[in-house]
Order: sequence, then C-alpha cells, then structure tokens
Amino acid sequence: DVKVTQSSRYLVKRTGEKVFLECVQDMDHENMFWYRQDPGLGLRLIYFSYDVKMKEKGDIPEGYSVSREKKERFSLILESASTNQTSMYLCASSLSVGQNTIYFGEGSWLTVV
Amino acid sequence: GENVEQHPSTLSVQEGDSAVIKCTYSDSASNYFPWYKQELGKRPQLIIDIRSNVGEKKDQRIAVTLNKTAKHFSLHITETQPEDSAVYFCAAIIAGNQFYFGTGTSLTVIP
Repeated sequence: DVKVTQSSRYLVKRTGEKVFLECVQDMDHENMFWYRQDPGLGLRLIYFSYDVKMKEKGDIPEGYSVSREKKERFSLILESASTNQTSMYLCASSLSVGQNTIYFGEGSWLTVV
Repeated sequence: GENVEQHPSTLSVQEGDSAVIKCTYSDSASNYFPWYKQELGKRPQLIIDIRSNVGEKKDQRIAVTLNKTAKHFSLHITETQPEDSAVYFCAAIIAGNQFYFGTGTSLTVIP
C-alpha cells in the first residue's frame, strides 16, 4: 500500500509564527501536492511538485512556500502564519505523468490564534 | 485551467434509497475522472474512476457515468447504507498531472 505520512495531525500556532508541515511518501512517486480543505470550498491546490527541487504554484499559493529537497519529502511552509490560514492541509502524491491515481495523507489540522 | 462544479453540496437519503451526485467540467482535455470518499477525520480515498474512452463503470453498489459531449459525470450509489455517509469529491484530471476537485457533497444516509 502507498503510504503518505503527514508528521503533524494537529497544530496550534500563533499569528506571525513560521510553520512547517512535513509530508513523506514511501512509493517513489514523482508528483507531490499540497491542498487546503475548507468547508464549502473543497480541495484547493496550494503548490505541487513534479520532481526534486521543482515546484509549481497552484490556485492559492499566496502566503505559502514549499520545499522538495528529496523525492520522498514535500514540505509546506507558512512564513508568517495568519488566522485565515486556519484550515485542514492535505498532502498527496501520484506516481508520474500519465499515472492518475492520487494518494492522500491523513491531513494536518492547523489552528492559528 | 479546468473548472469542476459539483452538486448538490449536501444530500440526505433514506437507507436503501439511491444517491446521485453530479459534476461538470470545462476543459475537454480532461481525460480521467475519479471519485473520492472522505469519512469524518480521515483522508480522501479513491472509490471509483472512469476514463474518457468509457461511458459507464460499475463496482457493486457504486457506478459512475460520463457524458463527454455535455462534459458531465455522475456518481450513483444504490441501496445506500449508513456507512456510505461521508463527503464525496469528484475530480477531473488533465494529462495525469493536474487534479481539479469539486467542492464536495456531504451525504447523509438516514437509518
């Protein structure tokens, strides 16, 4: 089974803090994604990466950055957390171009106070 | 880019009845359409998918239909059970890389 692991399930951070959300996949997938999930808005793509050190902006990249130094790890960074970034963050991965199945992590619930 | 619309946003059905969730997409280049089920507090998981060269696919009580001309696809759940209660997401994929999700449907099956 493909495993996508998000290291933190629940976090509470203060406004202005720098926040790191880590994601690791164990199936040598080339593509990795970060989504944000909010009620009524579904899954919105923040950033994705199709290779090590490569990244592409998704639909809502503002206030976020990402890092992919190793193939198995994709990190989401909130440089200065704000209350409107309180949300559920989902990491996902897929094998490669043409391989469509996407696998999700369990999610990270972030509350910014 | 692609735009995926999903309806309804909430759906309640009596146990044993059928449930239908519909999605429309805008980009004719989309060629793969998966459906995900997300139970409360858990990750979305793939339940069924369909490719653009197929009109219908069935897996036990779940079926998906695709109308490429009209650019819409639907999830059908028959003989619903309480464990079907969850949020369902449709998605449209272009070229295997870009995943565009609908806004989700919260399905409640009333015993």
